Amino acid sequence: DIQMTQSPSTLSASVGDRVTITCRASQTVSTWLAWYQQKPGKAPKLLIYQASTLESGVPTRFSGSGYGTEFTLTISSLQPDDFATYYCQQYNSHTFGQGTKLEIK
Amino acid sequence: QVRLVQSGAEVKKPGASVKVSCKAFGYNFTDYYIHWVRQAPGQGLEWMGRINSDRGGTHYALKFHGRVTMTRDTSMNVAYLELGSLRYDDTAVFYCARRKPGGPIDHWGQGTLVTVSS
Repeated sequence: DIQMTQSPSTLSASVGDRVTITCRASQTVSTWLAWYQQKPGKAPKLLIYQASTLESGVPTRFSGSGYGTEFTLTISSLQPDDFATYYCQQYNSHTFGQGTKLEIK
Repeated sequence: QVRLVQSGAEVKKPGASVKVSCKAFGYNFTDYYIHWVRQAPGQGLEWMGRINSDRGGTHYALKFHGRVTMTRDTSMNVAYLELGSLRYDDTAVFYCARRKPGGPIDHWGQGTLVTVSS
């Protein structure tokens, strides 16, 4: 199985900050990578797919990059609604990263 | 409007089985696979497997082999997850989600809480 490792596990930041979350795959997944946002008690929401394509309706402050085994999700200017947990998923064999909780500093 | 509507919460005893349903609205059911994802309390997302809604073929995560069965009813646009030999650590929210072949999971059900308790 392909293992997905996210870092950091927890990230403390303030409104307006630029933040980056990293996701590493144990073997190449090309660009078969998606990012999801999850808020407490809710289902995940698709943000980014194909490593860098923004899902329709998702604010442009979210962006993704990467290829192969290393990927990043960047939020250019944090908004109050962005404090949540973020997961990467490779959709070759579908494993998820362990999640990154984005907290208010 | 695409919606996946799941069945309600369940409480089961250890050793029992649970069957969760996921009814699809607003799209052609057989054009998408249905995936199932588990989330234990306070934990991350865990992929369990998927079913080809058109042909019925399944692919399960190794961890759940022998305990999980995914089926679908194309006449009702419903997918089912059955998990057997339940243990206390199977207590979790189970999500169904749709995925077009070659694409990401793009819509999720609301989740079904399954509690395993004696």
